[in-house]
Parts: sequence; C-alpha cells; structure tokens
Amino acid sequence: EVQLVQSGAEVKKPGDSLKISCKGSGYSFTTYWIGWVRQMPGKGLEWMGIIYPSDSDTRYSPSFQGQVTISADKSISTAYLQWSSLKASDTAVYYCARGATRFDYWGQGTLVTVSS
Amino acid sequence: QSALTQPAAVSGSPGQSITISCTGTSSDVGGSKYVSWYQQHPGKAPKLMIYDVTNRPSGVSNRFSGSKSGNTASLTISGLQAEDEADYYCSSYTSTSTQVFGTGTKVTVL
Repeated sequence: EVQLVQSGAEVKKPGDSLKISCKGSGYSFTTYWIGWVRQMPGKGLEWMGIIYPSDSDTRYSPSFQGQVTISADKSISTAYLQWSSLKASDTAVYYCARGATRFDYWGQGTLVTVSS
Repeated sequence: QSALTQPAAVSGSPGQSITISCTGTSSDVGGSKYVSWYQQHPGKAPKLMIYDVTNRPSGVSNRFSGSKSGNTASLTISGLQAEDEADYYCSSYTSTSTQVFGTGTKVTVL
C-alpha cells in the first residue's frame, strides 16, 4: 500500500527556521516525483514544487522559488520542505503528494502555525 | 503563473448532473494533455478524481468524467449524491514543466 506520512504540526515564531518531512512507503521512492502543496487557512491549493528523489532534480513554482527549499534523502525515502526564516504568512497546511503530471497519493498534511 | 479560473460555487439536487469549468491559457490547459481534478472534503487531504483530462483512477466512481475544449477543461458529476458535496480543484501541467491549480469550486448538494 502506497503511503506518504508527514511530520507533525509545528508552532513557530517569525524568523524561525523549519524543516518538515514526508516519508514514502509501499513503492519505489526513487522512481516517482514528490511534490509540495500549500493550503492557507480557508483558501485553495497552491503548487509549490516537486523533486525527483533519484537525482534531486527540483522544480519550483515562480511564487515559491527562493522562499522555500525542497530536498530529499533517498536512503530513508523521505522528502523535505524547508524555510530559513518563517513569516506569519507561511501559516498553512502543507501537503506532500506523489507525482509530476498529477498527484495520485497524498500525505495527511502538516499544519504550520507561525505566530509571535 | 496565474491560478486557473473556476466558478466559486456550483450546486445541484440529488440525481442531477453538474459541470465545473476550469479556464486557463495556451501555456497550461490549452497546451497540455495533463489536466487533473481533485476532490477535497473539509479537513481532509485532496483526492485525485480525474487525470490526463479524461481518465479515472481505480476506485473512482464512473459518475465523474472529464473533458477539455481549447483552454477550458470541465469536470462533470452525474447522478449527484450527498457525498459529492466538497471542494473541487483542477490542475494543469504547464509549458515550464510545473503545475498550476485552479481557484477551486465548492459543490453543494441541495
């Protein structure tokens, strides 16, 4: 069974750094792209970027380029989404999902709350 | 890279058919064979309902169907049921090898 299991909810202050994770299982992790999607409170889905774990080829939405870093450790079948300096506007649920042209499996979501 | 345009809300009675539109440009919907649709219930992760414009994943009801004409893709739900009440999002692969989501449509079953 394909599963994407994300790390737990986080509460951070503006300016903090953060790295959240997404562990894949039940399939060959290195042969599928993994993406990240943001959903701000009460708002729609936003495509952030994707990574190919086999060679770490990464593509970002222009809206998120330079704002976040997507990485992966294929040895432990885990993808990451990272911020170096959080802002209050980063408060959202972040989903990881499998695929490049479509997202066929999704993680459960990680709620990130940034508040002073 | 602007979000694809969807109607904010669509409603229908049980048993009826409804159609949700998703309008983009020649750089995304119009030029892509990779248009997907997702269903999201409150507090839940999205679920893939249609991929590659017209294909249904295994386990998705055949009441859901997709199509595309020019820069506009559509999702049709036939035989509307109470469980179909949810938010729906389209998505398209783009000419820059990224994806873009639609603005989302709230479906209400009257």
